[in-house]
Amino acid sequence: DVKVTQSSRYLVKRTGEKVFLECVQDMDHENMFWYRQDPGLGLRLIYFSYDVKMKEKGDIPEGYSVSREKKERFSLILESTSTNQTSMYLCASSLWIAGGYNEQFFGPGTRLTVL
Amino acid sequence: AQSVTQPDIHITVSEGASLELRCNYSYGATPYLFWYVQSPGQGLQLLLKYFSGDTLVQGIKGFEAEFKRSQSSFNLRKPSVHWSDAAEYFCAVGHSGTYKYIFGTGTRLKVLA
Repeated sequence: DVKVTQSSRYLVKRTGEKVFLECVQDMDHENMFWYRQDPGLGLRLIYFSYDVKMKEKGDIPEGYSVSREKKERFSLILESTSTNQTSMYLCASSLWIAGGYNEQFFGPGTRLTVL
Repeated sequence: AQSVTQPDIHITVSEGASLELRCNYSYGATPYLFWYVQSPGQGLQLLLKYFSGDTLVQGIKGFEAEFKRSQSSFNLRKPSVHWSDAAEYFCAVGHSGTYKYIFGTGTRLKVLA
Protein backbone atom coordinates (compact mmCIF):
# COMPACT_ATOMS: atom_id res chain seq x y z
CA ASP A 1 0.00 0.00 0.00
CA VAL A 2 1.07 3.54 -0.73
CA LYS A 3 1.91 5.43 2.36
CA VAL A 4 2.02 9.20 2.60
CA THR A 5 3.22 10.57 5.89
CA GLN A 6 3.23 14.12 7.20
CA SER A 7 5.66 15.34 9.80
CA SER A 8 3.10 16.64 12.28
CA ARG A 9 -0.59 16.08 12.97
CA TYR A 10 -1.04 19.27 14.97
CA LEU A 11 0.98 22.47 15.12
CA VAL A 12 0.43 25.70 17.01
CA LYS A 13 2.48 28.70 15.97
CA ARG A 14 2.55 32.40 16.66
CA THR A 15 2.10 35.03 13.97
CA GLY A 16 5.34 35.66 12.11
CA GLU A 17 6.97 32.32 12.85
CA LYS A 18 8.39 30.16 10.06
CA VAL A 19 6.84 26.75 9.55
CA PHE A 20 8.03 23.71 7.63
CA LEU A 21 5.53 21.01 6.80
CA GLU A 22 7.12 17.89 5.46
CA CYS A 23 5.55 15.13 3.42
CA VAL A 24 7.11 11.80 2.50
CA GLN A 25 5.74 9.11 0.19
CA ASP A 26 7.14 5.64 -0.17
CA MET A 27 5.92 4.55 -3.61
CA ASP A 28 8.22 6.39 -5.99
CA HIS A 29 5.46 8.68 -7.24
CA GLU A 30 6.43 11.48 -9.57
CA ASN A 31 3.68 13.89 -8.58
CA MET A 32 3.21 15.45 -5.19
CA PHE A 33 0.70 18.04 -4.04
CA TRP A 34 -0.02 20.38 -1.15
CA TYR A 35 -3.61 21.40 -0.40
CA ARG A 36 -5.28 23.38 2.29
CA GLN A 37 -8.73 22.39 3.46
CA ASP A 38 -11.16 24.86 4.98
CA PRO A 39 -14.82 24.31 5.89
CA GLY A 40 -17.13 25.10 3.02
CA LEU A 41 -14.26 25.59 0.59
CA GLY A 42 -13.19 22.02 0.00
CA LEU A 43 -9.59 21.37 -0.95
CA ARG A 44 -7.61 24.09 -2.65
CA LEU A 45 -4.29 23.40 -4.32
CA ILE A 46 -1.33 25.41 -3.05
CA TYR A 47 1.52 23.91 -5.09
CA PHE A 48 2.32 20.74 -6.90
CA SER A 49 5.50 19.13 -8.14
CA TYR A 50 5.88 16.71 -11.03
CA ASP A 51 9.57 15.96 -10.58
CA VAL A 52 12.51 16.67 -8.32
CA LYS A 53 13.19 20.41 -8.15
CA MET A 54 10.15 21.10 -10.35
CA LYS A 55 7.11 22.89 -9.04
CA GLU A 56 4.04 24.70 -10.24
CA LYS A 57 1.77 27.12 -8.48
CA GLY A 58 -1.68 25.99 -7.65
CA ASP A 59 -4.71 28.13 -7.01
CA ILE A 60 -3.59 29.77 -3.77
CA PRO A 61 0.25 29.96 -3.66
CA GLU A 62 0.50 33.37 -1.97
CA GLY A 63 2.27 33.18 1.36
CA TYR A 64 3.67 29.70 0.67
CA SER A 65 6.71 28.17 -0.95
CA VAL A 66 7.77 24.58 -1.55
CA SER A 67 10.87 22.48 -1.89
CA ARG A 68 11.41 19.13 -3.52
CA GLU A 69 15.04 18.05 -3.31
CA LYS A 70 14.32 14.32 -3.31
CA LYS A 71 11.63 12.43 -5.15
CA GLU A 72 9.98 11.07 -2.02
CA ARG A 73 9.89 14.33 -0.08
CA PHE A 74 7.88 17.50 -0.64
CA SER A 75 8.00 20.35 1.86
CA LEU A 76 5.63 23.27 2.30
CA ILE A 77 7.14 26.38 3.81
CA LEU A 78 5.31 29.23 5.43
CA GLU A 79 7.93 31.95 5.74
CA SER A 80 5.99 34.19 8.09
CA THR A 81 2.74 32.76 9.34
CA SER A 82 -0.44 34.77 9.65
CA THR A 83 -3.71 33.93 11.33
CA ASN A 84 -5.43 33.41 7.98
CA GLN A 85 -3.14 30.45 7.39
CA THR A 86 -4.84 28.54 10.17
CA SER A 87 -6.10 25.47 8.32
CA MET A 88 -5.77 21.78 7.65
CA TYR A 89 -2.90 21.04 5.27
CA LEU A 90 -3.02 17.87 3.21
CA CYS A 91 -0.25 16.34 1.19
CA ALA A 92 -0.89 13.91 -1.67
CA SER A 93 1.06 11.97 -4.24
CA SER A 94 0.22 10.22 -7.48
CA LEU A 95 1.89 8.14 -10.13
CA TRP A 96 2.37 9.79 -13.50
CA ILE A 97 0.54 8.11 -16.36
CA ALA A 98 0.71 9.21 -19.97
CA GLY A 99 -2.24 11.25 -21.17
CA GLY A 100 -4.38 10.82 -18.14
CA TYR A 101 -4.92 11.03 -14.45
CA ASN A 102 -4.27 8.71 -11.63
CA GLU A 103 -5.65 8.64 -8.15
CA GLN A 104 -4.01 10.76 -5.53
CA PHE A 105 -3.00 9.22 -2.23
CA PHE A 106 -3.36 11.48 0.77
CA GLY A 107 -1.52 11.86 4.03
CA PRO A 108 -3.39 12.24 7.33
CA GLY A 109 -3.10 16.02 7.33
CA THR A 110 -1.56 18.65 9.58
CA ARG A 111 -3.86 20.95 11.47
CA LEU A 112 -2.04 24.25 11.83
CA THR A 113 -3.24 26.91 14.22
CA VAL A 114 -1.65 30.36 14.06
CA LEU A 115 -2.22 32.53 17.10
CA ALA B 1 -14.07 27.17 -16.48
CA GLN B 2 -14.11 23.68 -15.11
CA SER B 3 -15.95 23.19 -11.87
CA VAL B 4 -17.41 20.59 -9.56
CA THR B 5 -20.59 21.14 -7.59
CA GLN B 6 -21.80 19.15 -4.63
CA PRO B 7 -25.16 20.75 -3.94
CA ASP B 8 -25.74 19.12 -0.56
CA ILE B 9 -23.57 20.42 2.26
CA HIS B 10 -25.07 18.09 4.86
CA ILE B 11 -27.10 14.90 4.52
CA THR B 12 -28.61 12.85 7.34
CA VAL B 13 -29.83 9.30 6.82
CA SER B 14 -30.86 6.48 9.11
CA GLU B 15 -28.68 3.42 9.37
CA GLY B 16 -29.83 0.86 6.81
CA ALA B 17 -31.34 3.45 4.50
CA SER B 18 -30.11 4.04 0.99
CA LEU B 19 -27.83 6.94 0.14
CA GLU B 20 -27.22 9.11 -2.89
CA LEU B 21 -24.70 11.95 -2.89
CA ARG B 22 -24.85 14.30 -5.82
CA CYS B 23 -21.98 15.58 -7.91
CA ASN B 24 -22.22 17.74 -11.02
CA TYR B 25 -19.27 18.83 -13.08
CA SER B 26 -18.56 21.29 -15.79
CA TYR B 27 -15.96 20.02 -18.21
CA GLY B 28 -15.38 20.29 -21.93
CA ALA B 29 -14.06 16.80 -22.61
CA THR B 30 -14.41 13.33 -21.19
CA PRO B 31 -13.74 13.81 -17.53
CA TYR B 32 -11.74 11.75 -15.11
CA LEU B 33 -13.94 11.53 -12.03
CA PHE B 34 -13.25 10.49 -8.47
CA TRP B 35 -15.04 10.12 -5.16
CA TYR B 36 -13.06 10.37 -1.93
CA VAL B 37 -14.10 9.92 1.69
CA GLN B 38 -12.61 11.67 4.69
CA SER B 39 -13.25 10.33 8.17
CA PRO B 40 -12.92 12.81 11.04
CA GLY B 41 -9.33 13.91 11.56
CA GLN B 42 -8.06 11.82 8.66
CA GLY B 43 -6.82 12.31 5.14
CA LEU B 44 -8.81 11.41 2.06
CA GLN B 45 -9.30 7.86 0.85
CA LEU B 46 -10.33 6.97 -2.68
CA LEU B 47 -13.71 5.26 -2.92
CA LEU B 48 -13.88 4.87 -6.69
CA LYS B 49 -12.89 6.42 -9.98
CA TYR B 50 -14.18 6.68 -13.52
CA PHE B 51 -11.88 7.03 -16.48
CA SER B 52 -13.78 5.37 -19.32
CA GLY B 53 -15.90 2.34 -20.19
CA ASP B 54 -18.80 1.09 -18.11
CA THR B 55 -20.61 4.08 -16.68
CA LEU B 56 -21.52 2.26 -13.45
CA VAL B 57 -18.43 2.03 -11.29
CA GLN B 58 -18.04 -0.12 -8.21
CA GLY B 59 -15.87 1.02 -5.35
CA ILE B 60 -14.80 0.03 -1.89
CA LYS B 61 -17.05 -0.24 1.16
CA GLY B 62 -20.09 -1.11 -0.98
CA PHE B 63 -20.24 2.23 -2.81
CA GLU B 64 -20.99 2.71 -6.48
CA ALA B 65 -21.30 5.72 -8.77
CA GLU B 66 -22.87 6.28 -12.15
CA PHE B 67 -21.48 8.58 -14.80
CA LYS B 68 -24.21 10.32 -16.78
CA ARG B 69 -22.76 12.44 -19.53
CA SER B 70 -26.12 13.92 -20.52
CA GLN B 71 -26.61 15.24 -16.99
CA SER B 72 -22.95 16.01 -16.29
CA SER B 73 -23.32 14.03 -13.11
CA PHE B 74 -21.38 11.41 -11.17
CA ASN B 75 -23.57 10.57 -8.20
CA LEU B 76 -22.41 8.27 -5.43
CA ARG B 77 -24.77 5.62 -4.07
CA LYS B 78 -24.94 2.99 -1.41
CA PRO B 79 -27.95 0.70 -0.92
CA SER B 80 -27.66 0.40 2.87
CA VAL B 81 -25.72 2.86 4.98
CA HIS B 82 -23.75 1.79 8.04
CA TRP B 83 -22.96 4.03 11.02
CA SER B 84 -19.28 3.87 10.05
CA ASP B 85 -20.08 5.65 6.78
CA ALA B 86 -20.49 8.93 8.66
CA ALA B 87 -17.80 11.11 7.10
CA GLU B 88 -17.26 13.84 4.55
CA TYR B 89 -17.38 12.92 0.89
CA PHE B 90 -15.62 14.76 -1.90
CA CYS B 91 -16.13 14.54 -5.63
CA ALA B 92 -13.21 15.52 -7.87
CA VAL B 93 -12.53 15.89 -11.59
CA GLY B 94 -9.23 15.73 -13.44
CA HIS B 95 -8.22 19.14 -14.75
CA SER B 96 -7.49 19.35 -18.44
CA GLY B 97 -3.85 19.71 -19.42
CA THR B 98 -2.40 19.37 -15.93
CA TYR B 99 -2.24 16.89 -13.12
CA LYS B 100 -4.53 18.99 -11.02
CA TYR B 101 -7.82 17.93 -9.59
CA ILE B 102 -10.76 20.19 -8.99
CA PHE B 103 -12.53 19.22 -5.79
CA GLY B 104 -16.10 19.87 -4.82
CA THR B 105 -16.77 21.51 -1.48
CA GLY B 106 -17.81 18.24 0.12
CA THR B 107 -20.94 16.65 1.59
CA ARG B 108 -20.98 15.77 5.25
CA LEU B 109 -22.93 12.61 5.97
CA LYS B 110 -24.54 11.96 9.34
CA VAL B 111 -25.94 8.52 10.10
CA LEU B 112 -28.68 8.09 12.68
CA ALA B 113 -28.77 4.88 14.69
